[in-house]
Amino acid sequence: QLQLQESGPGLVRPSGTLSLTCAVSGGFVATRSFYWGWIRQSPGKGLELIATLYSDGTTHYTASLRSRLTVSMDTSKNQLSLRLTSVTVADTAVYYCVRLPLSGFDYSYYYIDVWGKGTSVAVSS
Amino acid sequence: QSALTQPRSVSGSPGQSVTISCTGTSNDVGRYNFVSWYHHHPGKAPKLLIYDVFKRPSGVPDRFSGSKSGNTASLTISGLQAEDDGDYYCCSYAGNYTSWVFGGGTTVTAL
Repeated sequence: QLQLQESGPGLVRPSGTLSLTCAVSGGFVATRSFYWGWIRQSPGKGLELIATLYSDGTTHYTASLRSRLTVSMDTSKNQLSLRLTSVTVADTAVYYCVRLPLSGFDYSYYYIDVWGKGTSVAVSS
Repeated sequence: QSALTQPRSVSGSPGQSVTISCTGTSNDVGRYNFVSWYHHHPGKAPKLLIYDVFKRPSGVPDRFSGSKSGNTASLTISGLQAEDDGDYYCCSYAGNYTSWVFGGGTTVTAL
């Protein structure tokens, strides 16, 4: 059974860089059948799909974070990574790592079939 | 403020049916048959209940059902059980890879 485990610093200073990892077990990130993604949940904005990535290197970012956000995968470690620069208090949230099944009729995805438990990140001085 | 509107809470006695509504617009719920529902016990990983409006993944009991009419999607739990307590979120595809919209969540309580 696939499991996703996020990890991160818990606290990041304003203007700093947030780095998170997601360890994948019970499956491989280098799969052609799924996208992988990051969702965050903040008190102010609720749930938000912020980025997705595919094993061929394709990435998609939400417009509001595109200039600050980078996601990647390390197939040797079977893990995903997220890097968000110049953070502000608005980036305070629980960050979830997710898997998104690739649609059978187009190269897109329309739901999440596996979530991690999430990791809480606070941006504060 | 979430893009999809859900009631903050619903409750029912064990064995009763409860329905959670999820109201969007003609640009999301009304346009696409890509509504999904998730159940979240705090401290645990959220779990997929329904996708593509009404489809149930293997392992999800058939007392969970989904439907849609116009701009509103609904999740019905038939025969509420104590283990169904928790938060429920709806989600709709809204036109591109990261243009998804979520509901603000509904807390279900089995009285």
